[in-house]
Amino acid sequence: EVQLLESGGGLVQPGGSLRLSCAASGFTFSDYAVSWVRQAPGKGLEWVSTISGSGGNTYYADSVKGRFTISRDTSKNMLYLQMNSLRAEDTAVYYCAKAKYFITLTLFHYWGQGTLVTVSS
Amino acid sequence: DIQMTQSPSSLSASVGDRVTITCQASQDINNYLSWYQKKPGKAPKLLIYDASNLETGVPSRFSGSGSGTDFTFTISSLQPEDFATYFCQHYDNLPPLFGPGTTVDIK
Repeated sequence: EVQLLESGGGLVQPGGSLRLSCAASGFTFSDYAVSWVRQAPGKGLEWVSTISGSGGNTYYADSVKGRFTISRDTSKNMLYLQMNSLRAEDTAVYYCAKAKYFITLTLFHYWGQGTLVTVSS
Repeated sequence: DIQMTQSPSSLSASVGDRVTITCQASQDINNYLSWYQKKPGKAPKLLIYDASNLETGVPSRFSGSGSGTDFTFTISSLQPEDFATYFCQHYDNLPPLFGPGTTVDIK
């Protein structure tokens, strides 16, 4: 059974940093791209970032480019999102999601339960 | 970027009703269109992919159709557990954008 479990969310001041983690199990982690998708309170879903199965390719939404860094540790089946220079508009529930196919990076097959990030002074 | 519009933004329906939601892309997305169900406090759930393929384990009352830029999502007979928000999403290229969502609530 595929499982994705996010952690690391919390309250942070504007300009601060936070690192989210996602523990993956139930599939061959290195075979699939994994992504972060967020949902701000009362808003829709927004793609944040994707990393390829090998980790060699990373992709970012314009809204986070230069501030967020996605990475993965295949030996630990872990996905990370380092978030720097946080803004109020980054407040959201952050989900990690696994791609359905090897070649379809952003068809989100399985999702974690999410972790809440609140950016406020 | 490809833009996604979705309508209606909300609808009220009764158990047993047929529900239809439309999604339009700003350009041809080669049928790389998915539909998700989202309930408060829960993870999104993939229902339909490649515009019309039903995800494994999803009840057959859910269906998707369309091609090019215009797509439709249908629930043939609404069940109590179907009251939720539904999002379309294209994955033809980056960034993969979601539609604004359609909230289905109880009439």
